[in-house]
Amino acid sequence: SSVLTQPPSVSVAPGQTARITCGGNNIVSKGVHWYQEKPGQAPVMVVYDDNDRPSGIPERFSGSHSGDTATLTISRVEAEDEAAYYCQVWDTTTDHPGVFGGGTKLTVL
Amino acid sequence: EVQLVQSGAEVKKPGESLSISCKGSGFTLIGYWITWVRQIPGKGLEWMGRIDPADSYCDYSPSFQGQVTFSADKSTSTAYLHWTSLKASDTAKYYCARTFNDAFDLWGQGTMVTVSS
Repeated sequence: SSVLTQPPSVSVAPGQTARITCGGNNIVSKGVHWYQEKPGQAPVMVVYDDNDRPSGIPERFSGSHSGDTATLTISRVEAEDEAAYYCQVWDTTTDHPGVFGGGTKLTVL
Repeated sequence: EVQLVQSGAEVKKPGESLSISCKGSGFTLIGYWITWVRQIPGKGLEWMGRIDPADSYCDYSPSFQGQVTFSADKSTSTAYLHWTSLKASDTAKYYCARTFNDAFDLWGQGTMVTVSS
């Protein structure tokens, strides 16, 4: 089955770059999607298909994917970026194809 | 405005039944799958399954198969999540999300369900 592994937490100072990874043995050929969840708010898609950005999402958010690891990069981090971030893939080789990573709490110092 | 609007928070007792709703506004549900996601307080996101509102075909995660039922009403552009007999372990926030190319591009605001005797 598909398991997506994320670091539980990442900390970064304002203005610096945050990188959040998502690893899985079955994601090599799959598009990876990323969601931001702020406390008390619904998740919001910030990157889809590895590196595309929905309209309205700042250019500071970008994604990349190499082999079995995908990375969400947030440049010039702002206090408002503090949130939980989840990666997600669609894995049709399993009986629960909608797979989320465990989530990463981004703390802006 | 394009949005998914979910029904309000619920407090129920174990064994009771419940339906919560997810209404599309500014767009029609037809043409999209609607996914349901559970979030236990303090935990991550879990994919429960999805429904195609065009024909009510459903995919369920094995973890939720037989525990919940999805339905949809095309005429009102509304999807539903049903329980026939709630358990305390069903206490969680439930989100619906519009599914586009296997990604969840639009989310409802979530419905908190509390099951307690």
